[in-house]
Amino acid sequence: NAGVTQTPKFQVLKTGQSMTLQCAQDMNHNSMYWYRQDPGMGLRLIYYSASEGTTDKGEVPNGYNVSRLNKREFSLRLESAAPSQTSVYFCASIRTGGFSSYEQYFGPGTRLTVT
Amino acid sequence: GENVEQHPSTLSVQEGDSAVIKCTYSDSASNYFPWYKQELGKGPQLIIDIRSNVGEKKDQRIAVTLNKTAKHFSLHITETQPEDSAVYFCAASTTGGFKTIFGAGTRLFVKA
Repeated sequence: NAGVTQTPKFQVLKTGQSMTLQCAQDMNHNSMYWYRQDPGMGLRLIYYSASEGTTDKGEVPNGYNVSRLNKREFSLRLESAAPSQTSVYFCASIRTGGFSSYEQYFGPGTRLTVT
Repeated sequence: GENVEQHPSTLSVQEGDSAVIKCTYSDSASNYFPWYKQELGKGPQLIIDIRSNVGEKKDQRIAVTLNKTAKHFSLHITETQPEDSAVYFCAASTTGGFKTIFGAGTRLFVKA
């Protein structure tokens, strides 16, 4: 199992450009998440998808859109990048439904710089 | 809104000493408290978790304690080793783990 994979690993954008961050998991998990990580601020939830076909806003959704393409894939889109979106982005997945642990499995991250 | 505070932000210990990281949470509905370790250039990885119906849990050199009344929980690492050096995050979530709030992180340095 590859676990959670993310592409690309690094990206530099100019202000106003758009891009899509890709995430896929092969663990048959129902729920998937997008976080951003900034120095001194931990991980902040951007959007999540509790199950295929549903998406919901997290703590910091402004400037982002998401698509749950199927059970495996959950993409994050920046329509018009801004310097404030410079961050490291992590995708995660979680198995849900009657388990004692809600462990989140994280991808390796995408380091995005907006100039 | 919901909040998780984590202290200290940086912790430096000698190899073999113990390390303690403390967190407080604000949402009384929180019932699941995981701790994640993040090594340089990687995503966070779960090291231990505790449910609200348990006061303490131990896994080899790592233990977590929970005080629901005070809304405090702590991570204890004994006999620290250089490979324990990393950033540690506490977190709190409600049923199902759908919305997890993370602390700001503690950077632990273990000096050989």
